Amino acid sequence: NAGVTQTPKFRVLKTGQSMTLLCAQDMNHEYMYWYRQDPGMGLRLIHYSVGEGTTAKGEVPDGYNVSRLKKQNFLLGLESAAPSQTSVYFCASSYREQYFGPGTRLTVT
Amino acid sequence: GIQVEQSPPDLILQEGANSTLRCNFSDSVNNLQWFHQNPWGQLINLFYIPSGTKQNGRLSATTVATERYSLLYISSSQTTDSGVYFCAVVEGKLQFGAGTQVVVTP
Repeated sequence: NAGVTQTPKFRVLKTGQSMTLLCAQDMNHEYMYWYRQDPGMGLRLIHYSVGEGTTAKGEVPDGYNVSRLKKQNFLLGLESAAPSQTSVYFCASSYREQYFGPGTRLTVT
Repeated sequence: GIQVEQSPPDLILQEGANSTLRCNFSDSVNNLQWFHQNPWGQLINLFYIPSGTKQNGRLSATTVATERYSLLYISSSQTTDSGVYFCAVVEGKLQFGAGTQVVVTP
């Protein structure tokens, strides 16, 4: 039982490049979330999903897109990366309580 | 939206000391979680506690939903307790407080 996993763990992008972060969970949870955490701050919700095929905007959705084609996977895309998107990205899933993945450290230069 | 306030913002403890962290929230919530973010950035679930009291080893938590607060107790602190402790309330989605930075010195 791996819980919540994230791929990749680290990534460096140049401004304007695109990438996709993958989140996978094996707990059969309906709800999945993407957060970002900037230095010295709490987590802010980017997008979330209440089930396969559904997505919704969170607190800071601009510059990101998401897809939930399979129940166990939640993808976060950056179409044209900007330095302001340098952050640590956490994925989570829940039935009641939320469980977090290990995070992806993204640097945009 | 709901406001979540944590206090104190920073805490320095001598190993072996006890401490209490507080989380206040501005409205009724369905649920509340406490997390520990260790110095390596990993977020660890501590408690899922909508009301009442729970204990897990040296940690315990109490939520008084009617008075809109929750407390996290750390007893006999160890250096491995260092990190940031977050309270998060469920208002549809999790709303995080700003956290309490805890440093436990040997």
